[in-house]
Amino acid sequence: GAVVSQHPSRVICKSGTSVKIECRSLDFQATTMFWYRQFPKQSLMLMATSNEGSKATYEQGVEKDKFLINHASLTLSTLTVTSAHPEDSSFYICSARDLSGHQPQHFGDGTRLSIL
Amino acid sequence: GQNIDQPTEMTATEGAIVQINCTYQTSGFNGLFWYQQHAGEAPTFLSYNVLDGLEEKGRFSSFLSRSKGYSYLLLKELQMKDSASYLCAVKDSNYQLIWGAGTKLIIKP
Repeated sequence: GAVVSQHPSRVICKSGTSVKIECRSLDFQATTMFWYRQFPKQSLMLMATSNEGSKATYEQGVEKDKFLINHASLTLSTLTVTSAHPEDSSFYICSARDLSGHQPQHFGDGTRLSIL
Repeated sequence: GQNIDQPTEMTATEGAIVQINCTYQTSGFNGLFWYQQHAGEAPTFLSYNVLDGLEEKGRFSSFLSRSKGYSYLLLKELQMKDSASYLCAVKDSNYQLIWGAGTKLIIKP
């Protein structure tokens, strides 16, 4: 079945560091990838929709200059959390949708980000 | 606005059956999905309904009534490993997934 690979799985770093998270679709082409954030015991929150070859669409309240998204190919999207602070500590999950858009989204394993 | 409702938490006994309900109000409908999410892990796909009726997949079944804006996920022969959150999501007219807040299912021996 469709597989989405997300890396790294866990990051612990100091405040002010920028962190890059990669999301790859391994056996299908994904024109659209989604970035979610999930705080403990809360539901998934869509941060942005990443479209290959164009600018990402950010949800209301998500700072595009803080959460930089690049979707340079049909199999790779990256999220960079710039100058991360403790309040950015969360579980970040990417998902990808195939070209048809009719299949279920498949999720990466998530990245647990802890900012000290 | 768009809204998906599901119970916050449910408790059931190992070996029993549990039904998790989901009601939705969305701008258009292009399918309903159920995902399972264990604590600290990403969601995994369970089922997909786009037509009315029951879809059965092993111990899990999912039902959809589009006229009622209603779905349920039925879990049979519950096992301890079924303790997780179950997320209901609807794909709207723009093919965007609208997520419910999830139902935390607690299985007791």
